[in-house]
Amino acid sequence: AQSVAQPEDQVNVAEGNPLTVKCTYSVSGNPYLFWYVQYPNRGLQFLLKYITGDNLVKGSYGFEAEFNKSQTSFHLKKPSALVSDSALYFCAVRDMNNNAGNMLTFGGGTRLMVKP
Amino acid sequence: KAGVTQTPRYLIKTRGQQVTLSCSPISGHRSVSWYQQTPGQGLQFLFEYFSETQRNKGNFPGRFSGRQFSNSRSEMNVSTLELGDSALYLCASSFGSGSNNEQFFGPGTRLTVL
Repeated sequence: AQSVAQPEDQVNVAEGNPLTVKCTYSVSGNPYLFWYVQYPNRGLQFLLKYITGDNLVKGSYGFEAEFNKSQTSFHLKKPSALVSDSALYFCAVRDMNNNAGNMLTFGGGTRLMVKP
Repeated sequence: KAGVTQTPRYLIKTRGQQVTLSCSPISGHRSVSWYQQTPGQGLQFLFEYFSETQRNKGNFPGRFSGRQFSNSRSEMNVSTLELGDSALYLCASSFGSGSNNEQFFGPGTRLTVL
């Protein structure tokens, strides 16, 4: 079975400061990892993914994430937060070695609040 | 390119009724997945359809069913609605299945069961 943990329900950061949203995962095989963002009354928007290769992945809106295999983590980062980044962030995993199609397992979500 | 569209956006039903939700994927995408989002359980996978075949199914009762048409549009049906079925139902499309393609989500259908 696969699982994702987002240990922080909420992260508060001041505008202009760096932000980190944490994610750890568990899969039996090798992971595909994804970050999505959800704004109020909207669906999920894709930010970035890790498939293989470079451990630092760059995505949309200045976000990046670092894959750490030994710590089974995939933390989302941004060097300078904007008020408009305030939203709900979801980390998701898919086991590339199991025959589960496109099924994603999501973490519980982390609400990011960026204050002016 | 148009994104994933879901209809209707909002629905109010009463217990015991049934409901059908519709999803039109991005043009050229052949995989459609459905997820249920609730405050208590978070985002949970319902099922995936690829080329009109159910590819995978999550841990939901048989009251939840779906299908996919030859144009890749998908519907999901919930019969004998319960209060706990109140949720945001999200549809996601992807070009392939079991690959490294990301999924693109629609805006969701908010179902309220009274």
